[in-house]
Amino acid sequence: NAGVTQTPKFQVLKTGQSMTLQCAQDMNHNSMYWYRQDPGMGLRLIYYSASEGTTDKGEVPNGYNVSRLNKREFSLRLESAAPSQTSVYFCASSAGPTNEKLFFGSGTQLSVL
Amino acid sequence: KQEVTQIPAALSVPEGENLVLNCSFTDSAIYNLQWFRQDPGKGLTSLLLIQSSQREQTSGRLNASLDKSSGRSTLYIAASQPGDSATYLCAVRMDSSYKLIFGSGTRLLVRP
Repeated sequence: NAGVTQTPKFQVLKTGQSMTLQCAQDMNHNSMYWYRQDPGMGLRLIYYSASEGTTDKGEVPNGYNVSRLNKREFSLRLESAAPSQTSVYFCASSAGPTNEKLFFGSGTQLSVL
Repeated sequence: KQEVTQIPAALSVPEGENLVLNCSFTDSAIYNLQWFRQDPGKGLTSLLLIQSSQREQTSGRLNASLDKSSGRSTLYIAASQPGDSATYLCAVRMDSSYKLIFGSGTRLLVRP
């Protein structure tokens, strides 16, 4: 049982380049999330998808877009990468109701030069 | 605005010691609180989830307590082992929304 799978694990971009982070879960969860983790700032929610077909902004959505492709997959796109987007990105999922535990992927370390 | 604080930022203890990690929050009107473990280069693993109506949750050597009125939660680790070395984060959910507010974590080192 793979859980939450993220790709790629590492990525280096130049300012202005675009890329998509992929996330898939095999737990039949309804809800999926994208977080970024920065030193001293903790984890901050970028976007979430409460259920298939819906997406909503979190705390720090600027510069990002998301797509809930189907129930399993939730992608995060950086249209024009900026150095401020250098971070570790985590995808997570939960069964759905707000009292459920979150399951995290292993993260993507992104550097924007 | 809810703020979640974890002090100390780092802790080093000898193996076998019982220890307590602290988490404090400024707004007591929380929906639930969750403790996570994060190993270097890895994602977060949920350890314990405490609903606002609960006082504590236990899983093996771990016990988490919640005191909403004082804005505090503690994670108690009994008989610590080197394998417990990791960063421990707490996160609160304020209402029936999907947003978790994370603390910055306590980095624990258990020395053999």
